[in-house]
Amino acid sequence: NAGVMQNPRHLVRRRGQEARLRCSPMKGHSHVYWYRQLPEEGLKFMVYLQKENIIDESGMPKERFSAEFPKEGPSILRIQQVVRGDSAAYFCASSPPDGYEQYFGPGTRLTVT
Amino acid sequence: QKEVEQNSGPLSVPEGAIASLNCTYSDRVSQSFFWYRQYSGKSPELIMSIYSNGDKEDGRFTAQLNKASQYVSLLIRDSQPSDSATYLCAVNHGSSNTGKLIFGQGTTLQVKP
Repeated sequence: NAGVMQNPRHLVRRRGQEARLRCSPMKGHSHVYWYRQLPEEGLKFMVYLQKENIIDESGMPKERFSAEFPKEGPSILRIQQVVRGDSAAYFCASSPPDGYEQYFGPGTRLTVT
Repeated sequence: QKEVEQNSGPLSVPEGAIASLNCTYSDRVSQSFFWYRQYSGKSPELIMSIYSNGDKEDGRFTAQLNKASQYVSLLIRDSQPSDSATYLCAVNHGSSNTGKLIFGQGTTLQVKP
């Protein structure tokens, strides 16, 4: 049973470019969460999605960031016009529809140059 | 006051000893509590979940929860050098399981051979 999958594992973008991070939940999981870990800081919640629905986006920056979890395919975290402060590890987690435990993927390490 | 507080450490214990990790939280209505282990450069790995007051044991790990004191702890018996990592306490935000985990800054554990 494959775990949570994220790609790419490493992503380098120049300032002003767009970054697209993908996440496929564990088999049987329908809930997806995105977290960000800045260097020397803790994990911060960004957004909670179910298929075709954003449940809680209270941790998302107001501008440039968006997330989706379409009916088919992976969840996408999109960052437009990246700035150096966006450099961080972005983790996706998933949970089953009837459970509270969240399992994390390997993360995408974004570097903005 | 931070929502979830942990002593950053490092906590250093000799091999074979008991390591005790502590966490306090501010949201009195929180219902779900988790411990994750994170090795340097890796993603968080779920090691324990606890939902009721008291102790929960799983192998060498014991989680303890006291909702009245807003305190959750993790005991690691017979500590091994491979247990050296950062341990993250996470609390589900709110009175129902909203999916939003609030993480502490983590405690770094060093187990010395």
